[in-house]
Amino acid sequence: QKEVEQDPGPLSVPEGAIVSLNCTYSNSAFQYFMWYRQYSRKGPELLMYTYSSGNKEDGRFTAQVDKSSKYISLFIRDSQPSDSATYLCATLASGTYKYIFGTGTRLKVLA
Amino acid sequence: DSGVTQTPKHLITATGQRVTLRCSPRSGDLSVYWYQQSLDQGLQFLIQYYNGEERAKGNILERFSAQQFPDLHSELNLSSLELGDSALYFCASSVDGGNEQFFGPGTRLTVL
Repeated sequence: QKEVEQDPGPLSVPEGAIVSLNCTYSNSAFQYFMWYRQYSRKGPELLMYTYSSGNKEDGRFTAQVDKSSKYISLFIRDSQPSDSATYLCATLASGTYKYIFGTGTRLKVLA
Repeated sequence: DSGVTQTPKHLITATGQRVTLRCSPRSGDLSVYWYQQSLDQGLQFLIQYYNGEERAKGNILERFSAQQFPDLHSELNLSSLELGDSALYFCASSVDGGNEQFFGPGTRLTVL
């Protein structure tokens, strides 16, 4: 079993929809959680960085961490065609330096 | 633009050869990470350096090695290349280990 699981998609939504992207993880030692956006053939771009449980909001993006169920989510409001990309979740255990990435969910926002 | 630079952008070589990938971190970042991304494996952590010293190792093959120099740039050396080494190789940097990472544009390696 992978330490971080992510549905590869693709996920297709109409423009303006609310998008929900999710990951599950198995290691309860993970304390830091990140979401990256990766356009085709480009480097991943950091979107959100959260520590422990709770919500964090930045513009149209909200990251949510539920440590009790080992579940992390990224919500995108008012989705735009420019949001079409692969979204990667990543985790890190406190005191370690080895980031674990999900395989990514491919999102397509249709105009 | 993340501020992390990688060269070359593309590299085409033959099996059995050796190549060197180069990374310059963002100004002020002391930590450098190397990742391999292939279609079937996703983003795999290879190795991390902090201020010139190796700090964490992931799924890095013995044929691969890396180092971080006093000016903080890093090089990833891949030797005895195999077809399966064809992938995107990313470098990322952060102020310190455990903080937000910022990724470079990657080097696309094709082994023929």
